[in-house]
Amino acid sequence: DVKVTQSSRYLVKRTGEKVFLECVQDMDHENMFWYRQDPGLGLRLIYFSYDVKMKEKGDIPEGYSVSREKKERFSLILESASTNQTSMYLCASQGQGYGYTFGSGTRLTVV
Amino acid sequence: GESVGLHLPTLSVQEGDNSIINCAYSNSASDYFIWYKQESGKGPQFIIDIRSNMDKRQGQRVTVLLNKTVKHLSLQIAATQPGDSAVYFCAVHETAGNKLTFGGGTRVLVKP
Repeated sequence: DVKVTQSSRYLVKRTGEKVFLECVQDMDHENMFWYRQDPGLGLRLIYFSYDVKMKEKGDIPEGYSVSREKKERFSLILESASTNQTSMYLCASQGQGYGYTFGSGTRLTVV
Repeated sequence: GESVGLHLPTLSVQEGDNSIINCAYSNSASDYFIWYKQESGKGPQFIIDIRSNMDKRQGQRVTVLLNKTVKHLSLQIAATQPGDSAVYFCAVHETAGNKLTFGGGTRVLVKP
């Protein structure tokens, strides 16, 4: 069974901390995505990557960066966490078809 | 770009009844459509998809209908069960570009 694994289900971090959210897929997919999900706002695209060492800004990249050093791993970095980055973060990958496979999500709380 | 809307943020349905969830999209160049189900505390899971050259596709207890004339997509769940309680998203793929645009989600609550 194909899988997208997000390293943490729940995280609590302090304001100003540097936060790393990790995502690994085992499907040899080229494309990977990071979304945040907030009540009433739906899924919003933060960053995406179509290849190793490649990254593209999504709709809300401010305050975030990403890293794709290996094909299977796509990391989301919060350079200096703020309380408005408290959210559910979802990683997804996309193979030859158009559909995405999602991870289980990381619920991040910044205090 | 694509904008996707969902009708009825919350749908309350009696167990055993059929559920219908609707989705409108704006770009007539959209070529592929997906429905996802998201249970509480989990990531979205694929339910069913349909390509723009079709108008109906059936799965196990689910049917997706596509009306390209009015740019409308629906998901029908037959004999709704408690395990169907979740948030349902439509997602739309445009021919140009290779990303999905997601609707806001409809919460389905199944009453026993």
